[in-house]
Amino acid sequence: GAVVSQHPSWVICKSGTSVKIECRSLDFQATTMFWYRQFPKQSLMLMATSNEGSKATYEQGVEKDKFLINHASLTLSTLTVTSAHPEDSSFYICSARRDFSTDTQYFGPGTRLTVL
Amino acid sequence: GEDVEQSLFLSVREGDSSVINCTYTDSSSTYLYWYKQEPGAGLQLLTYIFSNMDMKQDQRLTVLLNKKDKHLSLRIADTQTGDSAIYFCAERLRGGKLIFGQGTELSVKP
Repeated sequence: GAVVSQHPSWVICKSGTSVKIECRSLDFQATTMFWYRQFPKQSLMLMATSNEGSKATYEQGVEKDKFLINHASLTLSTLTVTSAHPEDSSFYICSARRDFSTDTQYFGPGTRLTVL
Repeated sequence: GEDVEQSLFLSVREGDSSVINCTYTDSSSTYLYWYKQEPGAGLQLLTYIFSNMDMKQDQRLTVLLNKKDKHLSLRIADTQTGDSAIYFCAERLRGGKLIFGQGTELSVKP
């Protein structure tokens, strides 16, 4: 298998609070994990690439101080949305790369964030 | 630039074949992928093809790659209602970044 889990699957929070989303590779070690954001009826947009033990690489236009990424182990990466606002409401999906030769990414089930 | 284009909708009858098309712009792509997304869920990897291949078949799925035209297609034989979902093609750029198309919503009518 190549199972990736995310927790929580959905979260509702008040504006101004911070929310942490976890991404775990359950049956393999992932040196690299990716965080994506998906708006309704749209494609996935890569936010950042996270390598275990080092700082994440953010895509252009993504605020690193707002979307904090930590990749402390080979099976866990976390995304913290700090001081969330309604415009941060979205579907956040992580993926983990297992096989370097094919660079295949396996995706988690996603986390629906709603900021009131 | 990096761009992947797909048609947005496809409707077929159960039992027919579905063909979902995708075009990409980066000629240095090494792998091309097809993912399936059901409502409210993450992406499920369906299949992938290496850029030096023309075709790959996996059970009901056939992937065709025309590298000259930068055109990728996914054919689903004997389409079932359970195949209804959004299908994304993606190209892998050097460095590992994936660029996704907009997704094609496949609707299968009984």
